[in-house]
Amino acid sequence: EVQLVESGGKIGQPGESLRLSCVASGFSLTNYWMYWVRLAPGKGLVWVSRITGDGENVYYGDSVKGRFLMSIDNAKNTVYLQMNGLRHDDTSMYYCGRGQSGVYYVELWGRGTMVAVSS
Amino acid sequence: QSALTQPASVSGSPGQSITISCNGSTSDVGVFKFVSWYQQRPDTAPKLIIFEGVERPSGVSNRFSGSKSANTAFLTISGLRAEDEADYSCSSYSLSGTLMFGGGTRLTV
Repeated sequence: EVQLVESGGKIGQPGESLRLSCVASGFSLTNYWMYWVRLAPGKGLVWVSRITGDGENVYYGDSVKGRFLMSIDNAKNTVYLQMNGLRHDDTSMYYCGRGQSGVYYVELWGRGTMVAVSS
Repeated sequence: QSALTQPASVSGSPGQSITISCNGSTSDVGVFKFVSWYQQRPDTAPKLIIFEGVERPSGVSNRFSGSKSANTAFLTISGLRAEDEADYSCSSYSLSGTLMFGGGTRLTV
């Protein structure tokens, strides 16, 4: 079955670090672009980051640039989001998504993992 | 990274048609074909329903259609059904290299 399964979400304190994982099944990450997108309570979707299938190119949204790092392990067919310097406004459901290379939309989504930042 | 602008809510009766707007700019919706729409029911993952402005993925009902005029994209749902009740979000690639999303529109049927 083609699917994405996220994990790693938890309650953290401001300033802490957290790593999210997204395991892909039924397809190889090398052939796609992968995304992280978040949804804060009562707010709209926000693009977090995108990575090419070979891991060579990574792009970030303004709100996480310099704090978050997206990476890919093709041997494990897994993408990661290293979240450093957590802030209250990082509280969101984090979704992993797949897109075709060269086009800018997310065609397959995971069910998400929740991150809550609270002091 | 400003969001695209959507109405907060729309409503319609079963069988009716509704249209949701997504207002962007000459830096995103107005210049790229990469406008997409997503449906999200409570406690579920978003689902792609329109891509490249007008295309439907396999398996998506033809009651869903997309269009664009200048800097604004539109999602039309015809023959409304109770199961269409959900949040709908638009998205567009932008000249800044970012993927923009709208604030989401809650559809009540």
